[in-house]
Amino acid sequence: GQNIDQPTEMTATEGAIVQINCTYQTSGFNGLFWYQQHAGEAPTFLSYNVLDGLEEKGRFSSFLSRSKGYSYLLLKELQMKDSASYLCAPEYSSASKIIFGSGTRLSIRP
Amino acid sequence: DGGITQSPKYLFRKEGQNVTLSCEQNLNHDAMYWYRQDPGQGLRLIYYSQIVNDFQKGDIAEGYSVSREKKESFPLTVTSAQKNPTAFYLCASSIDGALRPQHFGDGTRLSIL
Repeated sequence: GQNIDQPTEMTATEGAIVQINCTYQTSGFNGLFWYQQHAGEAPTFLSYNVLDGLEEKGRFSSFLSRSKGYSYLLLKELQMKDSASYLCAPEYSSASKIIFGSGTRLSIRP
Repeated sequence: DGGITQSPKYLFRKEGQNVTLSCEQNLNHDAMYWYRQDPGQGLRLIYYSQIVNDFQKGDIAEGYSVSREKKESFPLTVTSAQKNPTAFYLCASSIDGALRPQHFGDGTRLSIL
């Protein structure tokens, strides 16, 4: 399997910064997706990283290290609406598909 | 607006019955997917279709069947052979068949009576 590892739950304070880590197996790896999913709703696409480094998109940034099999999602200036699950999903060219992690449930407190 | 429509939002099934979940998209996407999500778990791929009149099994296809007679539609049938069908089912689509779901429907929650 692709052994995707991300924390099950995290808690952060409104206005703060939080980093959600994800590790995965590197064999056959092509790129990595991050999705946001509010409870009972469909996932929505946040980012897709293929190259090493940090990609910033507004309050959200995503980082990838291909050699280490490591990615993180960085959320700045947290808002209450950011309370959701964040799914790490590496893509494997060997299997021609993406594999979803179990997700990190992020709770924002006032 | 373009998007994916799944219906119904909630569905109940009696033991031994087949049930069909609807998925329609007006995005003109070639590829469509069905995922299953259980509490505290990630999405698992049931079936996918990269082109009309063709579909492939995903990781957990047993007990499920699909058809792709039209580009816009990709219905999923949960058969009586699926022993644990209670889950949240998500349909998705992408513009190409690279198995990268871009748009998701709002999901159907299936429960057994």
